[in-house]
Amino acid sequence: AQRVTQPEKLLSVFKGAPVELKCNYSYSGSPELFWYVQYSRQRLQLLLRHISRESIKGFTADLNKGETSFHLKKPFAQEEDSAMYYCALMGGGAQKLVFGQGTRLTINP
Amino acid sequence: NAGVTQTPKFRILKIGQSMTLQCTQDMNHNYMYWYRQDPGMGLKLIYYSVGAGITDKGEVPNGYNVSRSTTEDFPLRLELAAPSQTSVYFCANSAGDYGYTFGSGTRLTVV
Repeated sequence: AQRVTQPEKLLSVFKGAPVELKCNYSYSGSPELFWYVQYSRQRLQLLLRHISRESIKGFTADLNKGETSFHLKKPFAQEEDSAMYYCALMGGGAQKLVFGQGTRLTINP
Repeated sequence: NAGVTQTPKFRILKIGQSMTLQCTQDMNHNYMYWYRQDPGMGLKLIYYSVGAGITDKGEVPNGYNVSRSTTEDFPLRLELAAPSQTSVYFCANSAGDYGYTFGSGTRLTVV
């Protein structure tokens, strides 16, 4: 069965501190993994795709197949990073996404 | 270029009432989805469609129905609304490896 786990519902860090949002997955095939972000009163939007290996807004995420993880990292948090973050896995056909429970990130000034 | 448009943005229903949540896209993608978002639960897939005339159940389909008569439109129907259907509903389409485009959501309260 496909499953995505985000162990932290809430994460609070100070501005300028490093941020790591954890994501672990369970999938028997080769996963396609994503991070989505939802800022206050905005729609969900794609932040990162593991396949592109890009850095968006200073965030990076590396797929670790051995640990079945796809943690999201940023070296220096900014106040505008405060949002809800969802890790998601695409697998099982029809391009369906399975989402984790989400982590609400708060950056304190 | 609107992307994915959902209406209404907010709605309050009484128990037992019915309603249709509208979703339309102008991106010409075949794959479309309905999710519900509940606090601490993430997003759960209700129904999805891989093209006009083809729909299938997701993880939590009970109490809902969908249709896909055109590529553009993918409405979600709630029959006999129940308090358990109080949630935020998101429609989305898929560009495969490029991820989903989501609508702005419908916040539904059943009282």
